[in-house]
Amino acid sequence: QLQESGPGLMKPSETLSLTCTVSGGPMSSYYWSWIRQPPGKGLEWIGSIYYSGSTNYNTSLKSRVTMSVDTSKNQFSLKLSSVTAADTGVYYCARVQTSSAAFDSWGQGSLVTVSS
Amino acid sequence: QAMLTQPASLSASPGASVSLTCTLRSGINIDSYRIYWYQQKPGSPPQYLLRYKSDSDKQLGSGVPRRFSGSKDAPANAGILLISGLQSEDEADYYCMIWHSSTSVVFGGGTTLTVL
Repeated sequence: QLQESGPGLMKPSETLSLTCTVSGGPMSSYYWSWIRQPPGKGLEWIGSIYYSGSTNYNTSLKSRVTMSVDTSKNQFSLKLSSVTAADTGVYYCARVQTSSAAFDSWGQGSLVTVSS
Repeated sequence: QAMLTQPASLSASPGASVSLTCTLRSGINIDSYRIYWYQQKPGSPPQYLLRYKSDSDKQLGSGVPRRFSGSKDAPANAGILLISGLQSEDEADYYCMIWHSSTSVVFGGGTTLTVL
């Protein structure tokens, strides 16, 4: 199971910090991802991190994104800097299944609203 | 032009079969990609349905009914999600996805399926 935790409401220009806690299994040998969904819109991949710490980011967000992993706490995290109203949406964490490369397990999502 | 294009909406009757398409941008060859399909119901995270590249390279997600299957229309450069024996519970948003350049994820814009 995956569970996101985050701030809920933010102001423009702040840095968004989200954490995903993984339970029910090890983090090792998996890629872990963040995906977001603006209200009423489609899915957007933000980036992925391997349990060892190597990362891949969406090129459109790369300059503002930092992902990290702490396997001792069974957690991985997302930081998104200089947020604007366009960053408002539900943020999901997800696991990448090793064999199929599918997002086979998702958190319930964390709603982040950016408003002044 | 978006990398993956899906029709915005589709409707069908209970018991019918319906094909949802995911058209790849010109220059991106369907034969080179596994197409992943996800179902999302209101207020819930997406759920992995299946992936399809060829009849010898396909996978149905865990617990997904066999009414869901994948295929492709190579001349149209499109992946297809086929749902047979449509049920009211199939009413949802459906997203296609690819791993592009092995390390980046792209989602289609999604199709809203209405079961009339």
